[in-house]
Amino acid sequence: GESVGLHLPTLSVQEGDNSIINCAYSNSASDYFIWYKQESGKGPQFIIDIRSNMDKRQGQRVTVLLNKTVKHLSLQIAATQPGDSAVYFCAENAGGTSYGKLTFGQGTILTVHP
Amino acid sequence: SQTIHQWPATLVQPVGSPLSLECTVEGTSNPNLYWYRQAAGRGLQLLFYSVGIGQISSEVPQNLSASRPQDRQFILSSKKLLLSDSGFYLCAWTTSAGGYEQYFGPGTRLTVT
Repeated sequence: GESVGLHLPTLSVQEGDNSIINCAYSNSASDYFIWYKQESGKGPQFIIDIRSNMDKRQGQRVTVLLNKTVKHLSLQIAATQPGDSAVYFCAENAGGTSYGKLTFGQGTILTVHP
Repeated sequence: SQTIHQWPATLVQPVGSPLSLECTVEGTSNPNLYWYRQAAGRGLQLLFYSVGIGQISSEVPQNLSASRPQDRQFILSSKKLLLSDSGFYLCAWTTSAGGYEQYFGPGTRLTVT
């Protein structure tokens, strides 16, 4: 959940390339996963979510893949644009009586070069 | 449509001074509300959450407190700020009807000097 260390993973891509951002989650009981995009100085924005009964979900230019066997989540961004540059966070929810609480990963900095 | 507001947007306070950050949500009823802190270059740490008026749960021990005096108002407070309280404070809400997607406010940048 909470990030460790002061240096977030970074990913640099060229405009037009596809980007893949990875996330390992910790709780095998988690039944809901979500990706957020956070631009500098702003609050996180919802990108896409997926429930544990699915292994793939597609949105506009984004795809989330879930591998419950190895507790791994990935976000694929097609035809990455400079406006996609931001920090990307994955988050998980353990369901049950957790009152909608999300546990966030440490984040990945995506930089898109024109 | 629902909107979430936070103020102030930025705040510079001396060590030992009090703090009050406010968050309000419009366009929904009985939301679950959350306060997060984000240190520079790090992820989001959940501080408090509330499932109803006057109901506050704390996730981490600290010198901060939270209150929910009205259904759509969530306040983060401190009696005496520490240097380590500096950070980006985010308020979020989700529907109490079982949804998990949280919607975040614009945040408050707090610098304790």
